[in-house]
Amino acid sequence: EIVMTQSPATLSLSPGERATLSCRASQSVSSHLAWYQQKPGQAPRLLIYYASHRASGIPARFSGSGSGTDFTLTISSLEPEDFAVYYCQQRDNWPSTFGPGTKVDMK
Amino acid sequence: EVQLVQSGAEVKQPGESLKISCKGSGYSFNNYWIAWVRQMPGKGLEWMGIIYSGDSDSKYSPSFQGQVTFSADKSVKTAYLQWSSLKASDTGMYYCARTIAASGSDGLDVWGQGTMVIVSS
Repeated sequence: EIVMTQSPATLSLSPGERATLSCRASQSVSSHLAWYQQKPGQAPRLLIYYASHRASGIPARFSGSGSGTDFTLTISSLEPEDFAVYYCQQRDNWPSTFGPGTKVDMK
Repeated sequence: EVQLVQSGAEVKQPGESLKISCKGSGYSFNNYWIAWVRQMPGKGLEWMGIIYSGDSDSKYSPSFQGQVTFSADKSVKTAYLQWSSLKASDTGMYYCARTIAASGSDGLDVWGQGTMVIVSS
């Protein structure tokens, strides 16, 4: 089973700042990597699939990059609604696995 | 509108059986896989497995193999997750989500609202 790690565990930033979230896989997952946002009391929402493709309706301030084992989710300028937990998920190898999440909270 | 609507919260005792549902609408249900994801209280997301709505082909994560059963009824556009004997450790929120392929480049693009399952004596 591929183990996904995310760093940092918590990111404390202010609105307008740039957020850079990292996700690492224990072995290559090619570009089969997705990112999700989850707010308290809500279901997760797909942000990025295939490492860098924005899902439908996702604002351009969200971008994904990377391939192989190292991936990054960047939020170019944080809006108040972006404070949430972010998960990466690999879909290259069975079973699919999620990272433990990065919480982006307000400084 | 494309959506998945899940059945309501459940409170059960250990040893009881349970079947929760996930009803799709607004899209061609038979052409998609439905994934099941567990989230224990205060914890992260866990991949349970996936079922193809068209023919009920199912794949289970090793952690959940033998513990749960997936099923689907395409005539009512509904997928199901069931337990034959619940344990306290099954307490959590269970989400269904849609995906076009069992694995690969796409993500889980539509999610149900979640079904909270509480198992307590």
